[in-house]
Amino acid sequence: EAQVTQNPRYLITVTGKKLTVTCSQNMNHEYMSWYRQDPGLGLRQIYYSMNVEVTDKGDVPEGYKVSRKEKRNFPLILESPSPNQTSLYFCATSGSNTEAFFGQGTRLTVV
Amino acid sequence: AQKITQTQPGMFVQEKEAVTLDCTYDTSDPSYGLFWYKQPSSGEMIFLIYQGSYDQQNATEGRYSLNFQKARKSANLVISASQLGDSAMYFCAMRENTNAGKSTFGDGTTLTVKP
Repeated sequence: EAQVTQNPRYLITVTGKKLTVTCSQNMNHEYMSWYRQDPGLGLRQIYYSMNVEVTDKGDVPEGYKVSRKEKRNFPLILESPSPNQTSLYFCATSGSNTEAFFGQGTRLTVV
Repeated sequence: AQKITQTQPGMFVQEKEAVTLDCTYDTSDPSYGLFWYKQPSSGEMIFLIYQGSYDQQNATEGRYSLNFQKARKSANLVISASQLGDSAMYFCAMRENTNAGKSTFGDGTTLTVKP
């Protein structure tokens, strides 16, 4: 079964404490992305990757890091989270001419 | 730069009627893809329909069809015979083929189907 798996689903953390949200896909897709969703703002792309070791900034990259050491994994790293990074995060993957397949989402609260 | 505009924050439709959700886009790339996704209250993102910029015919998938007007840069989603389960947030999105990793989403339209 085609899957995009994000972990954790829910996370409450404190300002400044580094965290990583993992994303893994089993579809051998080249493209992977991270989005954040905030009320009234739709989905905004944070970072994306075109293949292993190839990443690029999306529209709102500040405060985030990513890596793509293996094709299946694309973790999102918040080195020093702040309350304005409280949001719903989605990982998504796609092939060259396919729609995006989304993970279940990670609801992050930074206090 | 690519841009997606959804001008209807909220829409209401009577059950069994058709509804059109508006989407306009802007791009300088002649080759691109347009997508619609549904997000029910449970939160997951569900792909509905795709239209390529060079497709000659409007895309259809069951009760969903895409009214693609290239010259006007619009890609409206039409849902026929609305059902209560269609109540959800709907997002229009675009991906330019020259940079297929980059995607842009609209702000979304919340559709409520009334019984």
